[in-house]
Amino acid sequence: AQSVAQPEDQVNVAEGNPLTVKCTYSVSGNPYLFWYVQYPNRGLQFLLKYITGDNLVKGSYGFEAEFNKSQTSFHLKKPSALVSDSALYFCAVRVSSGLYNFNKFYFGSGTKLNVKP
Amino acid sequence: EAQVTQNPRYLITVTGKKLTVTCSQNMNHEYMSWYRQDPGLGLRQIYYSMNVEVTDKGDVPEGYKVSRKEKRNFPLILESPSPNQTSLYFCASSLILSTDTQYFGPGTRLTVL
Repeated sequence: AQSVAQPEDQVNVAEGNPLTVKCTYSVSGNPYLFWYVQYPNRGLQFLLKYITGDNLVKGSYGFEAEFNKSQTSFHLKKPSALVSDSALYFCAVRVSSGLYNFNKFYFGSGTKLNVKP
Repeated sequence: EAQVTQNPRYLITVTGKKLTVTCSQNMNHEYMSWYRQDPGLGLRQIYYSMNVEVTDKGDVPEGYKVSRKEKRNFPLILESPSPNQTSLYFCASSLILSTDTQYFGPGTRLTVL
């Protein structure tokens, strides 16, 4: 079965410190990996994605993520956190399945990031 | 402005009363999808569509129906809502390729009494 795990419900970090939000996945075939962010009362916004190539992917708002195939992980990172980064973060994987090579998405349960001044 | 719109944004209804949540996108995207978001469970895919008249089940399709008669619209239909369908629903769209990102609507908060 395909799955995405975000082992931490919440991550607390002080402003200016580096942050990491963890994500591991279990899928058959090659995964396409995504990070999305959700601010209160808003829809999800795209941050970054890994398709192929360099394992370190850079995205919006200074975020980056490192794809590790052997550990099946795709952790989200930022060198210096801002209070405005406080939000709910979702890791997602897109896989092909079905008769017509349709594409399904699987999301993790989300990690709430709290950045304190 | 490129966007995905959903209506209504908030809905309180009673068990068994049929309802439809509309979703529309103006980006000419082929792929559209519905998700429900529940605390501790993240987003779970209900149905998705690769193009007009082409739909398939996601992980949690029970109790829901969809249709894709036009490329821009992808309504979610609850024929007989039940309290366990109380949730936050999101519609999303993207281009057809696996590598393309999804654009999400603002969400519809549904309460079934």
